[in-house]
Amino acid sequence: QKEVEQDPGPLSVPEGAIVSLNCTYSNSAFQYFMWYRQYSRKGPELLMYTYSSGNKEDGRFTAQVDKSSKYISLFIRDSQPSDSATYLCAMNSGGYQKVTFGTGTKLQVIP
Amino acid sequence: NAGVMQNPRHLVRRRGQEARLRCSPMKGHSHVYWYRQLPEEGLKFMVYLQKENIIDESGMPKERFSAEFPKEGPSILRIQQVVRGDSAAYFCASSLGSPASYEQYFGPGTRLTVT
Repeated sequence: QKEVEQDPGPLSVPEGAIVSLNCTYSNSAFQYFMWYRQYSRKGPELLMYTYSSGNKEDGRFTAQVDKSSKYISLFIRDSQPSDSATYLCAMNSGGYQKVTFGTGTKLQVIP
Repeated sequence: NAGVMQNPRHLVRRRGQEARLRCSPMKGHSHVYWYRQLPEEGLKFMVYLQKENIIDESGMPKERFSAEFPKEGPSILRIQQVVRGDSAAYFCASSLGSPASYEQYFGPGTRLTVT
């Protein structure tokens, strides 16, 4: 079993839709939870990070962490064609620990 | 205002040659991470370095791969005697280090093709 599981998609939605992206994980030591966006043939770009459980909002993006279920989500409101990319969840236990990534979900927002 | 820089962006090597990939972290960052990404796969952690120290190399193949981050100059990922299976995109990321090791900033990657 992988430490971090993420549905690879692809996920195709119409412009303006609410998008929900999810990851599950098995390592209960994880405390920091991140979402990265990667456009084709580019490096990943950090979108948001959350410490422990709870919600965090940044513009159209909301990250949720439920440590009791080992489940994290990223919601994108009013999705735009420019949101079309691969979204990677990532997590670590803090300190000098490596970050473990999900395989990424490919999102396409259709105008 | 330079971000993480990687060079070369594209590298072609024949089987058996050496590949040397360079990474300059963001200004002020002293921690560097290397990842490998194969098509349709996620980022696979390879190694985590601080200046002159290897902190975690649990993702590095045991043979042919090595990494360093000297006191002066960029971090180098070296692959000796490359094989076709080494063809991938290699990304470098940097951070301020603990406790912010989670906040990593990535370079544009080096795409290695082994012919």
